[in-house]
Amino acid sequence: EAGVVQSPRYKIIEKKQPVAFWCNPISGHNTLYWYRQNLGQGPELLIRYENEEAVDDSQLPKDRFSAERLKGVDSTLKIQPAELGDSAVYLCASSLSNTGELFFGEGSRLTVL
Amino acid sequence: DQQVKQNSPSLSVQEGRISILNCDYTNSMFDYFLWYKKYPAEGPTFLISISSIKDKNEDGRFTVFLNKSAKHLSLHIVPSQPGDSAVYFCAAGETSGSRLTFGEGTQLTVNP
Repeated sequence: EAGVVQSPRYKIIEKKQPVAFWCNPISGHNTLYWYRQNLGQGPELLIRYENEEAVDDSQLPKDRFSAERLKGVDSTLKIQPAELGDSAVYLCASSLSNTGELFFGEGSRLTVL
Repeated sequence: DQQVKQNSPSLSVQEGRISILNCDYTNSMFDYFLWYKKYPAEGPTFLISISSIKDKNEDGRFTVFLNKSAKHLSLHIVPSQPGDSAVYFCAAGETSGSRLTFGEGTQLTVNP
């Protein structure tokens, strides 16, 4: 069974540029999460989807971050414009709705210069 | 407000000995706890979990202990192996399948 797939693995951009990350969750997993992990810190939730509905986006900086999961399967996380402090690893995870175990992708490492 | 805290950034043990990783939490509403392991350049992978109705859960070499009164949990690895060297994250949630709050992680190094 394929795991959570993310792309790109690495992205280097200059500040004020836009960037987008893509995630394909494990087949059949209704719940999808985007986490951000700063260096030396644990993952922090940005947004959680139940199917196509964003049920928890309280930690998403909505002035520059946006996310979508139009058909309730894959998802895109966008940052526009990027700032220096956005440099981090962006992790996508998925789970069956009724379990606490999250399956993570390998992450997308963003460097903003 | 750090609701889940791992106070030890790193831990070094000898192969074959016990590794004990600790985690403290402040939110008394947390009722589900998990440990994740992370290798460099990979995403975290699930290791073991425990619900608040239990005080111990064991899976092979890994045992998680939960002390609800102290709001403390620990992960024991016995015997430790060099392949266990990774960053270990403690995570907690209020209900199964809800938002998880992660600790900062502890880098475990198991020396041959």
